[in-house]
Amino acid sequence: KAGVTQTPRYLIKTRGQQVTLSCSPISGHRSVSWYQQTPGQGLQFLFEYFSETQRNKGNFPGRFSGRQFSNSRSEMNVSTLELGDSALYLCASSFAGRGELFFGEGSRLTVL
Amino acid sequence: EDQVTQSPEALRLQEGESSSLNCSYTVSGLRGLFWYRQDPGKGPEFLFTLYSAGEEKEKERLKATLTKKESFLHITAPKPEDSATYLCAVQGPDSSASKIIFGSGTRLSIRP
Repeated sequence: KAGVTQTPRYLIKTRGQQVTLSCSPISGHRSVSWYQQTPGQGLQFLFEYFSETQRNKGNFPGRFSGRQFSNSRSEMNVSTLELGDSALYLCASSFAGRGELFFGEGSRLTVL
Repeated sequence: EDQVTQSPEALRLQEGESSSLNCSYTVSGLRGLFWYRQDPGKGPEFLFTLYSAGEEKEKERLKATLTKKESFLHITAPKPEDSATYLCAVQGPDSSASKIIFGSGTRLSIRP
């Protein structure tokens, strides 16, 4: 059974640019959530999607957005990048209502 | 307020030297407590779910236990490949991923 796939794994952007990250969940998982991880802040919740609907959003500015498609794949977008957006962005999928999260390997974003 | 505290922040052990990691939690109506292993630059890997006080789960050299206030991850005769950051997370009555609270982790280093 394939795990959670995130692309791209690494990317470098400059301030002001935008970025789109992609996540393919485990087959059968309809719930997808996104996290930002930095050394100082740990795992910070960004969004949760279920059946193409955003269920919850974390305390992040509007520059962070996301969506989920009918096949449960998800994307997140960060516009007008800032230096502080440099982080590991993690996607996790789960069965709806279950707390066990299965994470992808992450997308390492560096903003210069 | 729901919270999770992990201790110690970092732990260095000699190969074969057994020890325990602690996860203290406060949550109204525990739905599940989760342990994850995270290698540098990668996403967390799900290890265990514990649901109620007294429950234990084992996997190779790892054993997780749960009381009403804390969980322990016991590592027996660790090997260098057990070096990683171990994360604890709790979920309360709300099934949303946004309500899963992660601890800041224990960075475990095993010297050969």
